[in-house]
Amino acid sequence: NAGVTQTPKFQVLKTGQSMTLQCAQDMNHEYMSWYRQDPGMGLRLIHYSVGAGITDQGEVPNGYNVSRSTTEDFPLRLLSAAPSQTSVYFCASSYSETANHGTGELFFGEGSRLTVL
Amino acid sequence: AQKVTQAQTEISVVEKEDVTLDCVYETRDTTYYLFWYKQPPSGELVFLIRRNSFDEQNEISGRYSWNFQKSTSSFNFTITASQVVDSAVYFCALTYFNFGNEKLTFGTGTRLTIIP
Repeated sequence: NAGVTQTPKFQVLKTGQSMTLQCAQDMNHEYMSWYRQDPGMGLRLIHYSVGAGITDQGEVPNGYNVSRSTTEDFPLRLLSAAPSQTSVYFCASSYSETANHGTGELFFGEGSRLTVL
Repeated sequence: AQKVTQAQTEISVVEKEDVTLDCVYETRDTTYYLFWYKQPPSGELVFLIRRNSFDEQNEISGRYSWNFQKSTSSFNFTITASQVVDSAVYFCALTYFNFGNEKLTFGTGTRLTIIP
């Protein structure tokens, strides 16, 4: 059971380049989210999804796109990278409460460190 | 809007001392969930606990305990007899009572250093 898998773990981009951070989970979770972590600011929600085909914006969505074509995958796209997007990105997933699973944990990937020069 | 405040940016204690990490939250929702996560130096996020707003009983798990007080909007975390392995950044988080944990609001974190 791999849990939440993020790739790549490290990436360096030049300003204006585009890239996709991949996120996959094998737990059949309905709910998935992307957060960014910056020093002194905690984690902030970028985009989230409550199921395949459904996405919505979080607190800091500008400069990012997402899609959810399958339950398992939730990629985050940077269309034109900017230095302000230098950050550590975390993908997360969780069960639906109606499924009444366990502790209510939000499962995180290991993070992707992105540097934009 | 929701907000989580962790006023303690950094704390250092000597090993075996007890330490309490403060978390104060703001929400207009009458039912909600509160979380604590640990981020060790390796960078991953480790789930510690989730409490719902209608259960104000304190929770104890080994050396960890949580004090939830709705009257003061606080959800404080105490580590008893701290160990070096407890050194990490600790995040408190909040979400409204919903079907999934897709929208958490995090505090800025408290960096805890345990001095051997």
